Amino acid sequence: DGGITQSPKYLFRKEGQNVTLSCEQNLNHDAMYWYRQDPGQGLRLIYYSQIVNDFQKGDIAEGYSVSREKKESFPLTVTSAQKNPTAFYLCASSGPGQGRGEAFFGQGTRLTVV
Amino acid sequence: SQQGEEDPQALSIQEGENATMNCSYKTSINNLQWYRQNSGRGLVHLILIRSNEREKHSGRLRVTLDTSKKSSSLLITASRAADTASYFCATVPNKAAGNKLTFGGGTRVLVKP
Repeated sequence: DGGITQSPKYLFRKEGQNVTLSCEQNLNHDAMYWYRQDPGQGLRLIYYSQIVNDFQKGDIAEGYSVSREKKESFPLTVTSAQKNPTAFYLCASSGPGQGRGEAFFGQGTRLTVV
Repeated sequence: SQQGEEDPQALSIQEGENATMNCSYKTSINNLQWYRQNSGRGLVHLILIRSNEREKHSGRLRVTLDTSKKSSSLLITASRAADTASYFCATVPNKAAGNKLTFGGGTRVLVKP
């Protein structure tokens, strides 16, 4: 069935390590998004992509990187430059027309620095 | 920076009562959307209202939009314990500003049985 899948559900990172969060969708959506959510807070936009091979920085892109080589996939790498990466990460996709409609969310990845 | 800001931040009501929350935003929009999040889960889309619409209904949900005041409200009528969740507004800017979907800080709603 169609949807958006994030993996893993829980991820532990050691200090100084890069980690990559996976996001895959089979909804044929053009637009994909990555958000960070801290406890009791709203969603802050990290990166978004409106089309394959193109992406834009959101409000808190520092310390993160993304790629969009395939329409279905939008992985997020949390680099060692991100000093406070412990958070809940949510991926979303939307369509048609480069994302003006409702967004569909994955179930999130909870990242903890150990 | 957050485009939308919800008010109140938290709301506690009895089952059967109505719940109203507001969202204010800063820039010109193509549409505004409301989402629901249960604790520790992803968000679920509730309703979308376009900039040329003033009111929209979906089941027990009623959304209004006032573009002159850059504000929207979400009303949940006859609330149920299962409505306990966080509710977020999100805006899509107009065409010239791109398709950045930006969320507010949310309203946490507790419906007591």
